[in-house]
Amino acid sequence: EVQLVETGGGLVQPGRSLKLSCVASGFTFNNYWMSWTRQAPGKGLEWVASITNSGGSTYYPDSVKGRFTISRDNAQNTLYLQMNGLRSEDTATYYCTRGYYGSFAYWGQGTLVTVSS
Amino acid sequence: DVVMTQTPVSLSLAIGQPASISCKSSQSLLGTSGKTFLNWILQRPGQSPKRLIYQVSKLYSEVPDRFSGSGSETEFTLKISRVEAEDLGVYYCWQGTHFPYTFGAGTKLELK
Repeated sequence: EVQLVETGGGLVQPGRSLKLSCVASGFTFNNYWMSWTRQAPGKGLEWVASITNSGGSTYYPDSVKGRFTISRDNAQNTLYLQMNGLRSEDTATYYCTRGYYGSFAYWGQGTLVTVSS
Repeated sequence: DVVMTQTPVSLSLAIGQPASISCKSSQSLLGTSGKTFLNWILQRPGQSPKRLIYQVSKLYSEVPDRFSGSGSETEFTLKISRVEAEDLGVYYCWQGTHFPYTFGAGTKLELK
């Protein structure tokens, strides 16, 4: 059974940093692209970052480029999202997702990040 | 960025009725690979999103065949032949052809 378990969310002040983790199980981690997608409270979904299966390439929307860094440790089956310079508009539930032919085949349960003073 | 426009915003249907949701993209989702990466997901109340359909019309294995997807280029449709209680929630279309990936605003399916 595929499982994606996110951790690391919490309350953080504007301008500070936070690092999210996603531990994957039930599939061969290094065979798949992985991504982060977020959802602000009561709002829709926004793609945040993707990383190729080897970790050699990463992709971001302009809203987080230069502030967020996606990375992975294939030996530990773990995906990361380093978030720097956090803003109030980054407040959201962050979902870890596994790629499949231009789709997200699996979603974690999410971890809530609240940016507030 | 590709803008994904979903209609209607909400649907109120009785169990057994058909449903149809439209999704239009601001540019063609046909990729250089010859594939169209248009996806549909469902977010039930209080849950994380779940997969439904990928590449326009391919159902994931656990998705009931009352769901179907169709379309091409810039116009796509999700249909439910007969709505069941477990189908309530918010449906999103999203595209994985062009970076940045983008989502529609969602269509809320409520039961009458």
